[in-house]
Amino acid sequence: AQTVTQSQPEMSVQEAETVTLSCTYDTSESDYYLFWYKQPPSRQMILVIRQEAYKQQNATENRFSVNFQKAAKSFSLKISDSQLGDAAMYFCAYRSASAIPLQGGSEKLVFGKGTKLTVNP
Amino acid sequence: DAGITQSPRYKITETGRQVTLMCHQTWSHSYMFWYRQDLGHGLRLIYYSAAADITDKGEVPDGYVVSRSKTENFPLTLESATRSQTSVYFCASRPRGGRQFFGPGTRLTVL
Repeated sequence: AQTVTQSQPEMSVQEAETVTLSCTYDTSESDYYLFWYKQPPSRQMILVIRQEAYKQQNATENRFSVNFQKAAKSFSLKISDSQLGDAAMYFCAYRSASAIPLQGGSEKLVFGKGTKLTVNP
Repeated sequence: DAGITQSPRYKITETGRQVTLMCHQTWSHSYMFWYRQDLGHGLRLIYYSAAADITDKGEVPDGYVVSRSKTENFPLTLESATRSQTSVYFCASRPRGGRQFFGPGTRLTVL
């Protein structure tokens, strides 16, 4: 079964600075998706960024970018020019892209335990 | 409005009572999911459904029952609530191969 690990329970960053959140995962599949979700105090789950494993180019969404290292099974999120509104829980998630479940893979999202990001003014 | 909704948003119940959490989506998405969120555990999958009348267990299914007679609805029932089921519950839906959307969550307290 796939697992997702976020080794940093909490992180903090100064406003306007850059912060990187770590995520590693374990899978035997070659085709999959990786996601970062943001959960502010409102509890709403917001998709921040998505990466397809077959794409070598790292995904970018405005101030958010990822460093996807497929061989190392690493998927970190970089937030540039941090803003107070970036304060939230951030979850890394994995989903198989295979149409046929492979070694327990499926179309379910598997989440890490989250990293709480604090942005200091 | 189109989207995914959950009801109730807050619920307090007692140990041993049956509780049903409702989830409704207006997109006709094939897949629907129920997660629970607890401190230190992230989101854990309880049950999911690939289509109407097709459901399967997730990571933590014990004590829960689901049904999906209609594509748009995916209720989650706690047959005999326990204190360990105090949690925030999220419903989600997505089309096959598409982006997943989450409901606003239901905070359930079991006394």
